[in-house]
Amino acid sequence: GESVGLHLPTLSVQEGDNSIINCAYSNSASDYFIWYKQESGKGPQFIIDIRSNMDKRQGQRVTVLLNKTVKHLSLQIAATQPGDSAVYFCAEPHGSSNTGKLIFGQGTTLQVKP
Amino acid sequence: DAGVIQSPRHEVTEMGQEVTLRCKPISGHDYLFWYRQTMMRGLELLIYFNNNVPIDDSGMPEDRFSAKMPNASFSTLKIQPSEPRDSAVYFCASSLRGLWSPLHFGNGTRLTVT
Repeated sequence: GESVGLHLPTLSVQEGDNSIINCAYSNSASDYFIWYKQESGKGPQFIIDIRSNMDKRQGQRVTVLLNKTVKHLSLQIAATQPGDSAVYFCAEPHGSSNTGKLIFGQGTTLQVKP
Repeated sequence: DAGVIQSPRHEVTEMGQEVTLRCKPISGHDYLFWYRQTMMRGLELLIYFNNNVPIDDSGMPEDRFSAKMPNASFSTLKIQPSEPRDSAVYFCASSLRGLWSPLHFGNGTRLTVT
């Protein structure tokens, strides 16, 4: 079945380094992708999104890259800080504009070492 | 804006008891979602509403689960009778334009059924 999946369950980086979190998707018709960050004890928080007519989108210290050819997207965090430690999810709507589901990947835990 | 507000934050109950979880979405958001999160299954969509009307409840596990949205500012998720396997964190989220816009999550209700 269709799914959104993550390559690695845990990523450990040194404070100040750049982080790259990857996500593979299986539905080639998908046209919208979202990244969420979930800190311990809190709900997922929207980080950045990208539509399929774009290859790249930048936010504050974050960049999302979309490669439709291989159905892969990544979240890059520049100068990773301790506050970036969290679980990161990619998500993808399945269905039509008024119905459907937002499917989340399993998540990647980002650990930032001081 | 206070964000999505859920109550209670924690609920501990005995098997067989009725549990009611509550959610106040962000004002002006027409879509409301109920998700369940467990280590084994990740984030699962249970049900979502558009303009107070249930659109997709296919994720509701069984008849023991029911959800209502009597008005635009309030929703409940009820489990009756509760079972130990219902133990999870339940999130409510709201959005402005459904699945193709960012979801804003509450901080969840951690339910423990003994």
